[in-house]
Amino acid sequence: EAGVAQSPRYKIIEKRQSVAFWCNPISGHATLYWYQQILGQGPKLLIQFQNNGVVDDSQLPKDRFSAERLKGVDSTLKIQPAKLEDSAVYLCASRAGVQETQYFGPGTRLLVL
Amino acid sequence: SQKIEQNSEALNIQEGKTATLTCNYTNYSPAYLQWYRQDPGRGPVFLLLIRENEKEKRKERLKVTFDTTLKQSLFHITASQPADSATYLCALDPRGGYNKLIFGAGTRLAVHP
Repeated sequence: EAGVAQSPRYKIIEKRQSVAFWCNPISGHATLYWYQQILGQGPKLLIQFQNNGVVDDSQLPKDRFSAERLKGVDSTLKIQPAKLEDSAVYLCASRAGVQETQYFGPGTRLLVL
Repeated sequence: SQKIEQNSEALNIQEGKTATLTCNYTNYSPAYLQWYRQDPGRGPVFLLLIRENEKEKRKERLKVTFDTTLKQSLFHITASQPADSATYLCALDPRGGYNKLIFGAGTRLAVHP
């Protein structure tokens, strides 16, 4: 079974620029998550989708971050404009159903200069 | 305030010994607690889940305990091997199965030959 795919794996941008990350979850997984992991910290949930609807985006900085999951499959996370403190690894995870395990992708490492 | 605490210092042990990692939490009443392994440059990988009404769970060389009175979980790796070297994250699931996970910062384990 193929895992969660993410791209790009690395991205370096300057502050105030825009950036987008892409995630392809495991086939058939209805729930998709985006996490932010700052160096030395655990992952922090940014947004949770159930199919193509948002379940929880309470920790998403909506003034600069946006996410969508069209057709309930792939998802993109965008930052516009980026700040220095956005430097982190952005992890995507998916889950088949309630009480099922989350499967994480390898993450996109973002450096904002 | 709500907190999840894991040993911030790395744990160094000799091959063959038992590694014990601690996860303490305050102001949460988690229904589930999960442990993940994270290798450098990779996303977390699920290891074990324990429910609030379970005292102990085992899987091969892994054992997790959950004490809701002490608000603590212990994660043990017996007969440790250098390949067990990684960062181990604990994650709380307050709603039990709905999988809004709240992660600790993780403890880095180094197993020396």
